[in-house]
Amino acid sequence: QKEVEQNSGPLSVPEGAIASLNCTYSDRGSQSFFWYRQYSGKSPELIMFIYSNGDKEDGRFTAQLNKASQYVSLLIRDSQPSDSATYLCAGGPGGGASKIIFGSGTRLSIRP
Amino acid sequence: GAVVSQHPSRVICKSGTSVKIECRSLDFQATTMFWYRQFPKQSLMLMATSNEGSKATYEQGVEKDKFLINHASLTLSTLTVTSAHPEDSSFYICSASDEGFYEQYFGPGTRLTVT
Repeated sequence: QKEVEQNSGPLSVPEGAIASLNCTYSDRGSQSFFWYRQYSGKSPELIMFIYSNGDKEDGRFTAQLNKASQYVSLLIRDSQPSDSATYLCAGGPGGGASKIIFGSGTRLSIRP
Repeated sequence: GAVVSQHPSRVICKSGTSVKIECRSLDFQATTMFWYRQFPKQSLMLMATSNEGSKATYEQGVEKDKFLINHASLTLSTLTVTSAHPEDSSFYICSASDEGFYEQYFGPGTRLTVT
């Protein structure tokens, strides 16, 4: 069974600090990984995708991928209250037309 | 760009009736659309993958006769929940993509309540 696992949280981080979200996956065939943010009652919105080992930065967000360890992470710098949401990690074989498997999500709470 | 719409956004129906949910890609052609279901405080569960002009591929445990999927054009897929029951109440979300895209684009979701 192909799985993507996340700590459900909640993860509580003070405003302005770095939030670190982690994800592991079981399918070594997975090549593409996605981080989605989901507010309560809304559909997911893509924050970042990453295909290559190493770091990928976009504004306050940095995704990290380690294929040898089957580990993906998301760092959020200068956390804001508006970052409070559930963060979903997903992985798949690659390409938007391929199905992806979602983790159960981590609830992040940024406290003022 | 890459906008996906869903209609209706919210629907309440009586047990035993059927409900159709539409998913449209507004500014791109979607050769592939995905249908997900999300129960409260749970993650997205893929129900089926539909490719334009062919039969949908259902995930294990999803009844194809209960959840009818039609992807008749490159911009429209529909999900029909037949003979809905209260346990079908959920948040249904579609996504769309095309060859060459890196990601799926999600619709805003449809909240189904079966009474």
